[in-house]
Amino acid sequence: AQTVTQSQPEMSVQEAETVTLSCTYDTSENNYYLFWYKQPPSRQMILVIRQEAYKQQNATENRFSVNFQKAAKSFSLKISDSQLGDTAMYFCAFTLSGGYQKVTFGTGTKLQVIP
Amino acid sequence: DAGITQSPRHKVTETGTPVTLRCHQTENHRYMYWYRQDPGHGLRLIHYSYGVKDTDKGEVSDGYSVSRSKTEDFLLTLESATSSQTSVYFCAISVAGEQFFGPGTRLTVL
Repeated sequence: AQTVTQSQPEMSVQEAETVTLSCTYDTSENNYYLFWYKQPPSRQMILVIRQEAYKQQNATENRFSVNFQKAAKSFSLKISDSQLGDTAMYFCAFTLSGGYQKVTFGTGTKLQVIP
Repeated sequence: DAGITQSPRHKVTETGTPVTLRCHQTENHRYMYWYRQDPGHGLRLIHYSYGVKDTDKGEVSDGYSVSRSKTEDFLLTLESATSSQTSVYFCAISVAGEQFFGPGTRLTVL
């Protein structure tokens, strides 16, 4: 079974600064996807970024980027130029690729951006 | 927007009563899921469906049942609600490995 661990229950960052959220996972498989989801106070789950395991290049989406270390099974999220709207819960998630696959979520990191 | 709606959005009920939550999608996606979200646990899979009348259990399925008689609807039923089932419930669909979520239902069991 796959597991996803987020070891930082809460974090804070000053507006305009950079913050990194950590995620590690455990799997014996080779083909999979990793995701970061954001859940603002509105409760809606929003995909921030995804990474395919076969791609060596780290994914980026505007101010969001990941540091994917496949051998270390690490998948951290870096948020640059933090904005007040980045205040949210962030969930790391894992799924095997191919057909139907269940998604395993971490327990989340609550990020507070301070003005 | 993956066209996923959930009803009701909020519900308060009493212990021992049956409760049904509805998930509706408009784009004929094959795979649908029910999760519950609790502090300190993230999202945990309750049940999932890979087609009409094809469902299976997730990691926290005890006390829950599901039905999918049409592609667009996936129902979650609490046969006899307990206080431990107080939670936020999310429905999701899956497209190319990526999950798209409904807005959630906050259920309180008194």
